[in-house]
Amino acid sequence: KAGVTQTPRYLIKTRGQQVTLSCSPISGHRSVSWYQQTPGQGLQFLFEYFSETQRNKGNFPGRFSGRQFSNSRSEMNVSTLELGDSALYLCASSLAPQGYASTEAFFGQGTRLTVV
Amino acid sequence: KNEVEQSPQNLTAQEGEFITINCSYSVGISALHWLQQHPGGGIVSLFMLSSGKKKHGRLIATINIQEKHSSLHITASHPRDSAVYICAVLITSGTYKYIFGTGTRLKVLA
Repeated sequence: KAGVTQTPRYLIKTRGQQVTLSCSPISGHRSVSWYQQTPGQGLQFLFEYFSETQRNKGNFPGRFSGRQFSNSRSEMNVSTLELGDSALYLCASSLAPQGYASTEAFFGQGTRLTVV
Repeated sequence: KNEVEQSPQNLTAQEGEFITINCSYSVGISALHWLQQHPGGGIVSLFMLSSGKKKHGRLIATINIQEKHSSLHITASHPRDSAVYICAVLITSGTYKYIFGTGTRLKVLA
């Protein structure tokens, strides 16, 4: 059974550009969550999608957005990139939405974004 | 004060030692995860707990809901256990979301 796949693994962008990251969940999983990891802030929750609907959103500016497709694959978009957006972006998939105590999340390897 | 506190922040151990990493939280939760992150970034979920104790190989995780505290134990530690261990709680107030501890960086020396 394939794990959570994130593409690309590494990305370099310049300030002001926009970027789209992709996450393919484990087959059958309908929940995809996104996280940002930086040395200063650690891991922070960005948003969660379940059945193509955004269920929860963390405290990030509107430049960060996402969507989920009917096959449960999710994309995350960051517009007008800033240097501080340099981070490891992780996604996790699960069968059921967050909040179901029996639901275990499986993480991808992450996309390392560097903004120069 | 962070809602999720881990201790210690850094830990160096000799191969074979028994290791304990602690996680305390101040919010209501529905579950707690212990995650392992190796250099390179990928995260592996080790345990998900809502009560009691779980064991997998040399790893043991416990949680005390009343005391809002969880521990991750590694018996007979090995250099391949060297990683960052992160505690993540799934909070139940308002919307459900994960809050993460800052991680414990473990180095096991041969």
